[in-house]
Amino acid sequence: DAMVIQNPRYQVTQFGKPVTLSCSQTLNHNVMYWYQQKSSQAPKLLFHYYDKDFNNEADTPDNFQSRRPNTSFCFLDIRSPGLGDAAMYLCATSSGRLEQYFGPGTRLTVT
Amino acid sequence: GQNIDQPTEMTATEGAIVQINCTYQTSGFNGLFWYQQHAGEAPTFLSYNVLDGLEEKGRFSSFLSRSKGYSYLLLKELQMKDSASYLCAVASNSGYALNFGKGTSLLVTP
Repeated sequence: DAMVIQNPRYQVTQFGKPVTLSCSQTLNHNVMYWYQQKSSQAPKLLFHYYDKDFNNEADTPDNFQSRRPNTSFCFLDIRSPGLGDAAMYLCATSSGRLEQYFGPGTRLTVT
Repeated sequence: GQNIDQPTEMTATEGAIVQINCTYQTSGFNGLFWYQQHAGEAPTFLSYNVLDGLEEKGRFSSFLSRSKGYSYLLLKELQMKDSASYLCAVASNSGYALNFGKGTSLLVTP
């Protein structure tokens, strides 16, 4: 029944070691989003895809990249994770501008 | 830019009614969303308002006044499982970005 799936749920990486988080959806939604949420803070949008069109938020660091090879999958690549990148990473999807459906998140720890 | 304010914490008693307020100042407006987020879990959609007035959905209602930049989420017949963070999010009128407030942490006590 899962509609937005994120793997893994918990990821530990070392300082500076590239890491990839994955998201898949069974909703066939055309828009996919990546948010970063730190403890007790609001989710912060990093970027989103409208179909294959990539939209980066102005303040998203270059260290964060994304790929969407097809409608169902979207990846978040962190090229050189720093301690400040430890957070929950949330993937969400929507059909146009309707409500966003969130995955369970991946909690990233940087050691 | 966007500025979204909501109280940090609220406490209410099981069975009671609680109102969580949200004020916003945005450069454009294309609707306001309320999400519920339990600790360590993803946000789940509760309601959407784009026109002024009250939207009712079971125990939850949401109100919007665009002229005042104000919304509230009303929770009736509170249950212990309603203890969670409630996020107010505003959609701008360009693009698909949702700007979230920091959330209101609601504690329901027996």
